[in-house]
Amino acid sequence: DSGVTQTPKHLITATGQRVTLRCSPRSGDLSVYWYQQSLDQGLQFLIHYYNGEERAKGNILERFSAQQFPDLHSELNLSSLELGDSALYFCASSVSGLAGVFENTGELFFGEGSRLTVL
Amino acid sequence: GDSVTQMEGPVTLSEEAFLTINCTYTATGYPSLFWYVQYPGEGLQLLLKATKADDKGSNKGFEATYRKETTSFHLEKGSVQVSDSAVYFCALSIPRTAGNKLTFGGGTRVLVKP
Repeated sequence: DSGVTQTPKHLITATGQRVTLRCSPRSGDLSVYWYQQSLDQGLQFLIHYYNGEERAKGNILERFSAQQFPDLHSELNLSSLELGDSALYFCASSVSGLAGVFENTGELFFGEGSRLTVL
Repeated sequence: GDSVTQMEGPVTLSEEAFLTINCTYTATGYPSLFWYVQYPGEGLQLLLKATKADDKGSNKGFEATYRKETTSFHLEKGSVQVSDSAVYFCALSIPRTAGNKLTFGGGTRVLVKP
């Protein structure tokens, strides 16, 4: 058990709909990362939040958005869903993630993922 | 940009066989290198890491050596078990840049048969 909790584990929805994926990081971790894992694209970095602030963006579509709340949990919102958005969405956390404050260890703790199926 | 290339799977082995998964990288800075493992139905977990050239990371019988001259970080295990069946990801991050963002390779599925 990594200590990172993601809900829901499975989600089936239709094209054009909107969903919200939730992530609770490990106790004490300030950074949350979202990754998308699909068969054809592999593991793609989407976005990183540190203590409520967006720190880095990767290959995140404009239809997707995320935020990190004061209690450090994070939500990933996916809207106007398309068939190609079907994937496993992972959340990961780490204690640091702010350059110059802590040495980056590179160790991220991953949740079990939320499997999204768009029909 | 930074990238990681690893051999495609699946790799099918018999128990007690020798396993090698090749990984090469391209990075703009001096990266730290990692191997993560994903067991069926689970999230990724760190297997081992190396932060500078010639460092050897090791864990659970797996080893990988950071080779700067060949920009490689190949994963090896001398005698695999059925329980090693999983997907293995090579990854890098650039220390002292924004966050701990990891760049992953495509993953290599390993299936160990009894």
